[in-house]
Amino acid sequence: DAKTTQPTSMDCAEGRAANLPCNHSTISGNEYVYWYRQIHSQGPQYIIHGLKNNETNEMASLIITEDRKSSTLILPHATLRDTAVYYCIVQMDSGYALNFGKGTSLLVTP
Amino acid sequence: DTEVTQTPKHLVMGMTNKKSLKCEQHMGHRAMYWYKQKAKKPPELMFVYSYEKLSINESVPSRFSPECPNSSLLNLHLHALQPEDSALYLCASSQESLAGVGEQFFGPGTRLTVL
Repeated sequence: DAKTTQPTSMDCAEGRAANLPCNHSTISGNEYVYWYRQIHSQGPQYIIHGLKNNETNEMASLIITEDRKSSTLILPHATLRDTAVYYCIVQMDSGYALNFGKGTSLLVTP
Repeated sequence: DTEVTQTPKHLVMGMTNKKSLKCEQHMGHRAMYWYKQKAKKPPELMFVYSYEKLSINESVPSRFSPECPNSSLLNLHLHALQPEDSALYLCASSQESLAGVGEQFFGPGTRLTVL
């Protein structure tokens, strides 16, 4: 079973920040938080990952709480092309398998 | 080249047919994966190859037979499939080093329909 809990769906207006939450209360010390997204009928796409510290790249920011029991993916200026299912995954860096949960279906509206 | 390619994009086969799915990457990744994704469900891991050796088989039926001929290629041979095997089959690859496995790069998938 997936080790994460995410809302089933969210809406966001184009140009606004999209904040996608994820609970991972049973995360262990050597497990990373990974985010992937899957646009309809395409393969999943890596977004970002982190261990303890907040991370930022050209796509998004990842905020991890100090106790590491939850995190938030932030898309700073959502566009229509960001409409996708977003998966939060907890994984050891040495672990192969991505255990996808149900994810959050994000709809960005004009 | 940061792309994983998969062929064919679509495949329709009968239950008595034998077919193969092909996956290719030229990023020097030494871990390659097959996932299966049913409609409106998340991807599920089927197989993992590490350095061209099968390292994980998630109790997949023997009618699915993976093969890794070299470090760039991954095949999935299909034989005597059932209609419930209809799904999107995704291939992925990742770098494997002392620093870990890291992010996985996915191909676009092969949409398989079994009649």
